[in-house]
Amino acid sequence: QVVVTQEPSLTVSPGGTVTLTCGSSTETVTSGQFAFWFQQKPGQVPRTLIYDTNNKHSWTPARFSGSLLGGKAALTLSGAQPEDEAVYYCLLSYSDVRVFGGGTKLTV
Amino acid sequence: EVQVVESGGDLVKPGGSLRLSCAASGFNFDNAWMNWVRQAPGKGLEWVARTHSRISGGTTAYAAPVKGRFTISTDNSKNTLFLQMNSLQVDDTGIYYCSLGGGYGGQGTLVTVSS
Repeated sequence: QVVVTQEPSLTVSPGGTVTLTCGSSTETVTSGQFAFWFQQKPGQVPRTLIYDTNNKHSWTPARFSGSLLGGKAALTLSGAQPEDEAVYYCLLSYSDVRVFGGGTKLTV
Repeated sequence: EVQVVESGGDLVKPGGSLRLSCAASGFNFDNAWMNWVRQAPGKGLEWVARTHSRISGGTTAYAAPVKGRFTISTDNSKNTLFLQMNSLQVDDTGIYYCSLGGGYGGQGTLVTVSS
């Protein structure tokens, strides 16, 4: 049973930079896990910010970026805004299944 | 512009069945991975099932809690993804979202399993 781990909570100052990570219990995260990052604000539907490790949608603010860092998937927010306060979930793909992390509550 | 609408959620008794639909427009349904994801009240996101719209045979997969009870399928001619849910349990209660391709999704549909 794969477990995907995220920081339970992080705090960033307005205008600051923060990196959220997404690790796998069974292996180093690579591009083969096609990491997704979702943002969910209170009372709202989750929306995809990043797919396939580092690809953005048209609605993804430029201050968000995805990468691989130290054997994990990473979501970096550069120049945090108050509206970025949300829970962020990562999703990793394995041969048969996909697994979500528990989410990181980001406070700005 | 891609638009996705989930439907079919309802209140159902334990042991009952539901069929969820996910209709997409403006999305290339012909060649994409598609997923169902759910969120129980007050909880995080949980992956439920995945399939591919073109690759036939052996491309469906399910999370352990739903394996053997849920079936994911597509109707490419109608740009629609389905989730047939049988033997529903109280723990299946939540909002169900489809996630198409690079993560296109809708507002979700609420499934409540209660006696």
